[in-house]
Amino acid sequence: SQQGEEDPQALSIQEGENATMNCSYKTSINNLQWYRQNSGRGLVHLILIRSNEREKHSGRLRVTLDTSKKSSSLLITASRAADTASYFCATTGGGNKLTFGTGTQLKVEL
Amino acid sequence: SAVISQKPSRDICQRGTSLTIQCQVDSQVTMMFWYRQQPGQSLTLIATANQGSEATYESGFVIDKFPISRPNLTFSTLTVSNMSPEDSSIYLCSTGGTGSGEKLFFGSGTQLSVL
Repeated sequence: SQQGEEDPQALSIQEGENATMNCSYKTSINNLQWYRQNSGRGLVHLILIRSNEREKHSGRLRVTLDTSKKSSSLLITASRAADTASYFCATTGGGNKLTFGTGTQLKVEL
Repeated sequence: SAVISQKPSRDICQRGTSLTIQCQVDSQVTMMFWYRQQPGQSLTLIATANQGSEATYESGFVIDKFPISRPNLTFSTLTVSNMSPEDSSIYLCSTGGTGSGEKLFFGSGTQLSVL
């Protein structure tokens, strides 16, 4: 299985702090994506990084990819209570089939 | 982008019954995907539904248990048949871009509880 593993499984921080989540995967990939899920509802796409990219930014999000270590990290800067959600990485080695990681539950407290 | 309307949003069902989940997309799409998310777990792909052909099921999922319809390019249904408490999960439909491994758009999910 190519399923990614994320750590930590759960993360609790104060509003204004930065949150970092890590994802490791097993096989070669075409791209890696990060999604957010609020309260067990539908997932929302956050950012996609291709295998030939090392870093990507989108607003308060920063994603890095290290294909030699088969790992990625998602950094959320200046976190807000509204960032409270589960975050999943997802990878594809080709085609349209995505394989999702185990997820990190982030709680941002006021 | 694609907006997906999924219903029902939640249901509580009795053991042995079946539930059909519907997803309507606001544009024509080639592929639709059905995922299951068991409590506290990640998403697992059930099957890929193409219009005009049989759905392609992933290992561990069979058509008799999870029949899928795809009558046109904007609509799909997933039926969870002969339900047991182990089927209690969130079921999600999604569709993606035309490129390889491009981002997915998701419905809001169906939270199913089987008693």
